[in-house]
Amino acid sequence: ETGVTQTPRHLVMGMTNKKSLKCEQHLGHNAMYWYKQSAKKPLELMFVYNFKEQTENNSVPSRFSPECPNSSHLFLHLHTLQPEDSALYLCASSHGTGDSGNTIYFGEGSWLTVV
Amino acid sequence: GQNIDQPTEMTATEGAIVQINCTYQTSGFNGLFWYQQHAGEAPTFLSYNVLDGLEEKGRFSSFLSRSKGYSYLLLKELQMKDSASYLCASKDSNYQLIWGAGTKLIIKP
Repeated sequence: ETGVTQTPRHLVMGMTNKKSLKCEQHLGHNAMYWYKQSAKKPLELMFVYNFKEQTENNSVPSRFSPECPNSSHLFLHLHTLQPEDSALYLCASSHGTGDSGNTIYFGEGSWLTVV
Repeated sequence: GQNIDQPTEMTATEGAIVQINCTYQTSGFNGLFWYQQHAGEAPTFLSYNVLDGLEEKGRFSSFLSRSKGYSYLLLKELQMKDSASYLCASKDSNYQLIWGAGTKLIIKP
C-alpha cells in the first residue's frame, strides 16, 4: 500500500470509447501527477497539478484530459484513443513541486489497452 | 538535450553484490533519485543524493559524483526478491524529474 490508489487497475477500451482513470492519495500531499510508462522507455510526465492548479502539460494530445477537483483526487479522461496509447498510466503525488528533495510516491498504475 | 543512461538488463547471483550505473545530462541539477519497481507494481523510492558521496541504507547504497554526472546503486547480499527494475532519475533546474528507461535486474539462485 503506497498511499496512492488508482482505479481501475486494468482497462480495455475501443478507439471510440470514453473512459476515465481515477487516482486518490491519502498522504496529505499538494501535488499530483500523471505519468505514462511504456515498455523499455523512460517514464513520460503528462500532467502536473499543484494545489489543484495545472502547472505542467507536456504536449499531451487533447484526447487525454486531466481533472483535479481537489488535492486528493486526480482523474484522466480518455476519448478517441489510439492503439499506441496502450501503456501503464501511473499516478503520483508529492508534498510540492519546487523542492529538490521532494520525493514522489506512485500508485500501482492502470494498465490501458486500446483495441 | 537531457538524457539519462543506464544498462537495460543485468544478471547477478543470490548472495552476491551488484552495482547499477547511471549517467545523467540535465539542464541544472537538483538531486538524483533511485526507485525500485517490481513487475506489475508501483515504483517505490529507494534513495536520494544531492551531495557527492555514498549514502548507505541497509543492503542498498547510492553514490553520486556531480562532476562526472554519474551515480550508482549498490545492492549487497542479493536476495531473490531484489529481482526488479531499478529506475534512475535526475531532477533538473525546473525541479522536473528526468527518467532513465530502467535497469531490469535478474537474480539467479
